[in-house]
Amino acid sequence: ETGVTQTPRHLVMGMTNKKSLKCEQHLGHNAMYWYKQSAKKPLELMFVYSLEERVENNSVPSRFSPECPNSSHLFLHLHTLQPEDSALYLCASSPRRGSQETQYFGPGTRLLVL
Amino acid sequence: GNSVTQMEGPVTLSEEAFLTINCTYTATGYPSLFWYVQYPGEGLQLLLKATKADDKGSNKGFEATYRKETTSFHLEKGSVQVSDSAVYFCALQGGSEKLVFGKGTKLTVNP
Repeated sequence: ETGVTQTPRHLVMGMTNKKSLKCEQHLGHNAMYWYKQSAKKPLELMFVYSLEERVENNSVPSRFSPECPNSSHLFLHLHTLQPEDSALYLCASSPRRGSQETQYFGPGTRLLVL
Repeated sequence: GNSVTQMEGPVTLSEEAFLTINCTYTATGYPSLFWYVQYPGEGLQLLLKATKADDKGSNKGFEATYRKETTSFHLEKGSVQVSDSAVYFCALQGGSEKLVFGKGTKLTVNP
């Protein structure tokens, strides 16, 4: 499955670093999502973008800053993270927003904050 | 609010055994229901889905039936293979695009 790609696949960063996660979808979809998967917790939706406009922010700390320059690309900019932010960050896309739209996931970026 | 409860793992089976992973949900209205699978080191892949009551989703020998009367969407496979070893997530999608996931069930299939 190469519909949704994410880079890098693994990232180690210090708490004072600034890094960015990249997601690209090749499916012609108009909605994109960031999820966080922590150990022993259900997946948590972080952000939703529709046609490059952020439509949902689920109380995510400001040290996570998303950017969607076009409908195919989604970034998650990271700065001054905490060790508890270590997790698998998953990107997903769907044809459009809506409860009937199936979301397709990328392979994820495994982040370790030291 | 909406929630999903799936059986605690881990589940360990021998090859060719029958698999059931239970999933129940709480939701208002008529959600869509999904099973996603996550193989080691990878992201989530959609395994199957059902969008209305009594629908049966199926893929790769896996099946799940949307049971509104019991608010369940149990995953079954008649004969598992070593390659089915993964973590399985039940999820629902209610009145918005927000997916609500269960905690996941880790399946290990031994040869």
